[in-house]
Amino acid sequence: GQNIDQPTEMTATEGAIVQINCTYQTSGFNGLFWYQQHAGEAPTFLSYNVLDGLEEKGRFSSFLSRSKGYSYLLLKELQMKDSASYLCAVRDSNYQLIWGAGTKLIIKP
Amino acid sequence: IAGITQAPTSQILAAGRRMTLRCTQDMRHNAMYWYRQDLGLGLRLIHYSNTAGTTGKGEVPDGYSVSRANTDDFPLTLASAVPSQTSVYFCASSALAGAGNEQFFGPGTRLTVL
Repeated sequence: GQNIDQPTEMTATEGAIVQINCTYQTSGFNGLFWYQQHAGEAPTFLSYNVLDGLEEKGRFSSFLSRSKGYSYLLLKELQMKDSASYLCAVRDSNYQLIWGAGTKLIIKP
Repeated sequence: IAGITQAPTSQILAAGRRMTLRCTQDMRHNAMYWYRQDLGLGLRLIHYSNTAGTTGKGEVPDGYSVSRANTDDFPLTLASAVPSQTSVYFCASSALAGAGNEQFFGPGTRLTVL
């Protein structure tokens, strides 16, 4: 079967750095996405990785290792507004997105 | 209209009733999707459409139907609602169906079936 694993919840301090991990087992791989979802709102796109390595976009970076079935999202200089759920999704061989349950990130002052 | 709109925002429905959730996008995207989101579970794909006039079944299609008569609209119908269909429903779209095309999400419809 297809499976995406992420920690359920993480806590970090304002101004710090946090890494959210995602491991996947899917039928085929055509890219990995990270989305942010604030409570009661729709998911919004953060990053896309299809090749191994690090993609940096401002305070957010995303890393992919296809051989290990592993990705992480790195958030730097955490702000209170970063409190949200972070969703990992993999596009499978049918080009459909398989979603993890999301990691709820709590930022404390 | 800017992006994707969904209606209604929320609805309480008696079991056995028929219900259509509406979704409209103004980005001229080819592909559209319906997901449900339940606590503790990832988004699950119900139905999708890669282009106007075509539809396909996702991971959890039973009890739902869709149509794609034009590019902009992608309604989701529950023929006879059951309590297990209580969920938050998100409509999404992408320029094309494959590869690195990100999906844009509507604000969601919160549906409660009693």
